[in-house]
Amino acid sequence: KAGVTQTPRYLIKTRGQQVTLSCSPISGHRSVSWYQQTPGQGLQFLFEYFSETQRNKGNFPGRFSGRQFSNSRSEMNVSTLELGDSALYLCASSGSVWGSTGEQYFGPGTRLTVT
Amino acid sequence: SQKIEQNSEALNIQEGKTATLTCNYTNYSPAYLQWYRQDPGRGPVFLLLIRENEKEKRKERLKVTFDTTLKQSLFHITASQPADSATYLCALPASGGSYIPTFGRGTSLIVHP
Repeated sequence: KAGVTQTPRYLIKTRGQQVTLSCSPISGHRSVSWYQQTPGQGLQFLFEYFSETQRNKGNFPGRFSGRQFSNSRSEMNVSTLELGDSALYLCASSGSVWGSTGEQYFGPGTRLTVT
Repeated sequence: SQKIEQNSEALNIQEGKTATLTCNYTNYSPAYLQWYRQDPGRGPVFLLLIRENEKEKRKERLKVTFDTTLKQSLFHITASQPADSATYLCALPASGGSYIPTFGRGTSLIVHP
């Protein structure tokens, strides 16, 4: 089975721009979660989608949004980028909603640098 | 909201010894707890899940304990190898009142040959 894939792997953007990151979950997985990882804050939950519906959302501003398509692929968007948005953005898929089986499979991440 | 604490200092041990990492949590009574391994520049990899009614769980050289009274989990790697060098993350599922999964900051393990 192919793992979780994320594109692009690396991205450099300028403050004020917006960015869209993509995630393809493991085949058959309907739950996709997004996380932001920084040296200062660690791994922080952004949101989770299950069957095209946002189930949970972390404590991030509205500039961070996401969506999930009928094939379970997911995108996250960050508008009006700030320097502090520089981070590794990780996508994880699960065979069930978090809180059920709990086991998540992470992708390699997208390294976003905001200048 | 729930909070997880892991030792922020790197743990340095000699090859062959047992590494023990600690995860403490507060403000929460989780149904289970997970451990992940993360290598630099890569996403975390799931290792073990232990439920609240399980005191101990093993997988090959890995052993996890879960003490719900102390609100603590210990993660052991026996007969450690340099290839075990990585950051190990403890994770709690979303809580009933705050439906947000929480990860610890992780502890870096360095196994010296």
